[in-house]
Amino acid sequence: KAGVTQTPRYLIKTRGQQVTLSCSPISGHRSVSWYQQTPGQGLQFLFEYFSETQRNKGNFPGRFSGRQFSNSRSEMNVSTLELGDSALYLCASSFDAQMGTGELFFGEGSRLTVL
Amino acid sequence: GQQVMQIPQYQHVQEGEDFTTYCNSSTTLSNIQWYKQRPGGHPVFLIQLVKSGEVKKQKRLTFQFGEAKKNSSLHITATQTTDVGTYFCAGPDSNTGKLIFGQGTTLQVKP
Repeated sequence: KAGVTQTPRYLIKTRGQQVTLSCSPISGHRSVSWYQQTPGQGLQFLFEYFSETQRNKGNFPGRFSGRQFSNSRSEMNVSTLELGDSALYLCASSFDAQMGTGELFFGEGSRLTVL
Repeated sequence: GQQVMQIPQYQHVQEGEDFTTYCNSSTTLSNIQWYKQRPGGHPVFLIQLVKSGEVKKQKRLTFQFGEAKKNSSLHITATQTTDVGTYFCAGPDSNTGKLIFGQGTTLQVKP
């Protein structure tokens, strides 16, 4: 069974640019969550999608957005990049329909560096 | 908002010593999960505890969920170099269900 796949794995952008990250969940998983991981802030919840609907959103500015497609693949977009957006962005999928009740399967992450 | 706190932030031990990390939530949790992230890796699920006072063991790892379901601990007996990494606890927000992670405890093991 293939794991969670995130692309790209590494990317470098400059301030003001925008970026799109992709996540393919484990087959059969309909819930996809996104987390931002930085050394100082740990794992911060961005948003969660289930069956193409955003079910939960974290405390991030509107520059951070996401979506989920009918095949459960998800993308997140960050516009007008700032230096502080440099982080590891982790995607996690889950089989459980109710959020917070089941195991999260994380991808390897997309490491974004903003210069 | 709901917070999940972990202590200590860092722990250095000699191989063979025991290690414990503690997790405290500001509210009662329906369940608590533990994850391990190796250096340069991604978080990997270890276990989920659901019942008040529950204790579960995985080889040298012992997980405990407090009676009030507001705290949890992970104890590793006789650490090995393979135990190196950051251990996170996580609990669902009582209103939204989103999983809130603690800051993590980074374990270093000296051979």
